[in-house]
Amino acid sequence: AQSVTQPDIHITVSEGASLELRCNYSYGATPYLFWYVQSPGQGLQLLLKYFSGDTLVQGIKGFEAEFKRSQSSFNLRKPSVHWSDAAEYFCAVGGRTGGFKTIFGAGTRLFVKA
Amino acid sequence: SAVISQKPSRDICQRGTSLTIQCQVDSQVTMMFWYRQQPGQSLTLIATANQGSEATYESGFVIDKFPISRPNLTFSTLTVSNMSPEDSSIYLCSVEEGTLPGEQYFGPGTRLTVT
Repeated sequence: AQSVTQPDIHITVSEGASLELRCNYSYGATPYLFWYVQSPGQGLQLLLKYFSGDTLVQGIKGFEAEFKRSQSSFNLRKPSVHWSDAAEYFCAVGGRTGGFKTIFGAGTRLFVKA
Repeated sequence: SAVISQKPSRDICQRGTSLTIQCQVDSQVTMMFWYRQQPGQSLTLIATANQGSEATYESGFVIDKFPISRPNLTFSTLTVSNMSPEDSSIYLCSVEEGTLPGEQYFGPGTRLTVT
């Protein structure tokens, strides 16, 4: 069955430190992968997306993600975190096979300490 | 990308009443979605709303409880009927737009509290 796993419920990093948020997926065909961010009291904003091509994709706000097919992972990274990055981050898998609907992971809440 | 607005942004309602949430998009889109996000949880798809046809509901959601209208390509409503405290959630509408299936853009959400 298709699924998305975000192993970390929450992560705390210091401002200026690097960040990696983990995402593992299970999907029978080639996945369409996304990362969204939800700031407090707001809707979700698309950070970046991947389907094919270069396995390292760049997104908005200085984020990037790397697709690793062998590990079924699509981890989100940022070299230097800013206090404004504190938010909830959702990994998602989309597709078209058999009427498949987008599945969202449980989310990882990022806390940034000064 | 599409700009999506929702009304109301938040509401506090009494149990047994109904609330209709509006979703307006600034461009014509084919597929619109309604999600529920319970406190501290991820998103759960309620239904897909396509213009000119009945909404398609996901398992666990029924039309009598969550009737949806989609009168045109820029607008949709979701009604939460006969509310109970368990319906307290954030309700989000989204549209699928862009180059990839699953690439969605979201409204700001409606925070509903049922007392």
